[in-house]
Amino acid sequence: KQEVTQIPAALSVPEGENLVLNCSFTDSAIYNLQWFRQDPGKGLTSLLLIQSSQREQTSGRLNASLDKSSGRSTLYIAASQPGDSATYLCAVMDSSYKLIFGSGTRLLVRP
Amino acid sequence: DGGITQSPKYLFRKEGQNVTLSCEQNLNHDAMYWYRQDPGQGLRLIYYSQIVNDFQKGDIAEGYSVSREKKESFPLTVTSAQKNPTAFYLCASSPPGQGATNEKLFFGSGTQLSVL
Repeated sequence: KQEVTQIPAALSVPEGENLVLNCSFTDSAIYNLQWFRQDPGKGLTSLLLIQSSQREQTSGRLNASLDKSSGRSTLYIAASQPGDSATYLCAVMDSSYKLIFGSGTRLLVRP
Repeated sequence: DGGITQSPKYLFRKEGQNVTLSCEQNLNHDAMYWYRQDPGQGLRLIYYSQIVNDFQKGDIAEGYSVSREKKESFPLTVTSAQKNPTAFYLCASSPPGQGATNEKLFFGSGTQLSVL
């Protein structure tokens, strides 16, 4: 059974710092991996989607990498801002096209 | 604007009562999903539907029911059999099957269900 783990569970950094969020999964048979952002009491917004054949995707200050063989992904946020404060979740799409989610990393960027 | 609309935003359930959460999308997506989120936890799949008039149980379907009579709508009923219904419920949509592998999942803004 696919399991997705995110470390750390919470992170607090000063504004301007570069940071890395980690995601690991147990079964490498995935179609894709997505990173989502969730603000308190809100739905999820998809940030980046990496297909299983890709190694990384970039959008603005965000860069996500995927190492399928080792079951790992990282989300790199450059020059963090207070507006980046949110919970970040990763999810993998399994062989039956279902998304399996991690429990998220709560990020606080201090001004 | 295309998107997913969930209603109501807040819902209260009395003991022994069934309640229905609404999810409507105008993205022309065939696949729709219901997830449950408990505080500090990830999302768990309740039910999903790849096409009209068809749906499958997810990982935590007990105490829930769904219908998919129209492409745009995928309502979720929380029945009295669900003994711990307090949670944040999220609806999502995507193209079906293989098409979903290339597309981001779109989410509604969620419904917070609480027990009175």
